[in-house]
Amino acid sequence: GAVVSQHPSWVICKSGTSVKIECRSLDFQATTMFWYRQFPKQSLMLMATSNEGSKATYEQGVEKDKFLINHASLTLSTLTVTSAHPEDSSFYICSARKAGDNQETQYFGPGTRLLVL
Amino acid sequence: AQSVTQPDIHITVSEGASLELRCNYSYGATPYLFWYVQSPGQGLQLLLKYFSGDTLVQGIKGFEAEFKRSQSSFNLRKPSVHWSDAAEYFCAVVPEEGKFYFGSGTKLNVKP
Repeated sequence: GAVVSQHPSWVICKSGTSVKIECRSLDFQATTMFWYRQFPKQSLMLMATSNEGSKATYEQGVEKDKFLINHASLTLSTLTVTSAHPEDSSFYICSARKAGDNQETQYFGPGTRLLVL
Repeated sequence: AQSVTQPDIHITVSEGASLELRCNYSYGATPYLFWYVQSPGQGLQLLLKYFSGDTLVQGIKGFEAEFKRSQSSFNLRKPSVHWSDAAEYFCAVVPEEGKFYFGSGTKLNVKP
């Protein structure tokens, strides 16, 4: 159990368009989901923490109006990159924490590679 | 400042040789510690984790890691590397509130 999926796995878009990435917990309820960004040859950086039914908490330096997060259900969180630009090209990874699990247990999705032309 | 350091960006070892990947952290208290592996274009796979207790933890794929409080280290080891172990390895710490902080990663190449 504890499988997290992301859709799409790859997306290419034109500059100025918006892109939505989905993160789903397939076989468990996730009260909290996390969004990370990984630039080429760099580590993962936490962008925001998403709690079901409430507003996301963004890390310092991450624009909340640029990266819209919606955690509408216990199995789905979405990240929308609004008005994407080439510098937003990155690998976006989500993780999910099971309801009832301790804070340190997270299950990671396979990631979504975004390329903005 | 709080940080996670993986001092080796690239490591190349011969197949069958032993491996040690270094990880150091700087936090006030002992955080929870993790090692993940990432294959090209893939997500993260958990190798092992340390929460408390025995400081030598065993993980999947024959990996182990030892927590040394005095050195603030959590080095990953494998006695005999296989070609399929070639990947990038990330050390991560969770000092508080369930937030993961990752090291910069170590890319492992395996020579035949």
